[in-house]
Amino acid sequence: NAGVTQTPKFRILKIGQSMTLQCTQDMNHNYMYWYRQDPGMGLKLIYYSVGAGITDKGEVPNGYNVSRSTTEDFPLRLELAAPSQTSVYFCASSYGSVDTEAFFGQGTRLTVV
Amino acid sequence: QKEVEQNSGPLSVPEGAIASLNCTYSDRGSQSFFWYRQYSGKSPELIMFIYSNGDKEDGRFTAQLNKASQYVSLLIRDSQPSDSATYLCAAPAGGGADGLTFGKGTHLIIQP
Repeated sequence: NAGVTQTPKFRILKIGQSMTLQCTQDMNHNYMYWYRQDPGMGLKLIYYSVGAGITDKGEVPNGYNVSRSTTEDFPLRLELAAPSQTSVYFCASSYGSVDTEAFFGQGTRLTVV
Repeated sequence: QKEVEQNSGPLSVPEGAIASLNCTYSDRGSQSFFWYRQYSGKSPELIMFIYSNGDKEDGRFTAQLNKASQYVSLLIRDSQPSDSATYLCAAPAGGGADGLTFGKGTHLIIQP
C-alpha cells in the first residue's frame, strides 16, 4: 500500500533556485494538502485542493504555487527559493473534507542556503 | 486567525501512568478536533478525533472535549515507552478554507 508518496526526501537548494516537490496518492482521494513544519512548530497549511483542476490558498501560500491536473498528483512549486523556506514539507490527502482522516506522506526536508 | 494552543513540554510520565495532554482553541465555532501523533523525523498519524462534548475512548486513548471552555484533552492510560512522541492537536482551519490548523505539539516522554 503506497498511500501518499513524496519525492524527494531531502534537498538542498541555493537561494534563488526553483524546484518542484512531487506528491502522488493512490487512494483516489479528492482532497489534497500541502503543509510545512518548522522546527518545534505545528504544521501550517500552504495550499489545498478539493479535486482535479481546483486549488486554493492556505495560511502561508506566498512563494509557492501548486497545480492539480489529475486526482493522483499535487506538486508544489517553489520559485526563487529563500532561506525562510527551509522547512519540512508534508503532503496529505483525505477522502472527504477536513472532518475526515488525513493521510500524510513521509515528508521532504528542504534546506535553502 | 484561528489558534490552537498546546504546552510544548516536554511532559515526562512514568511507564504505566496516565499521560494527560491539553489543548485550547480560539474559535468557538470549531466543531471537530483531532489528535495526531508524530514520532521524531516521521509524518503525523491520526490517533483520535472528537466532535461531541464529553469523552471518546479508543483502547488506551481517551479524548475529552469541553466546548464551553474551548478545551480538548487526550489521556493515554498505561503509558508505554512507544507512546513517546509529539502529540499535535488540530482543528479545521475554517474561514472558508479546507485543511487543519495545528498546535505546536506537546513532546511526551515515557520513562521506563
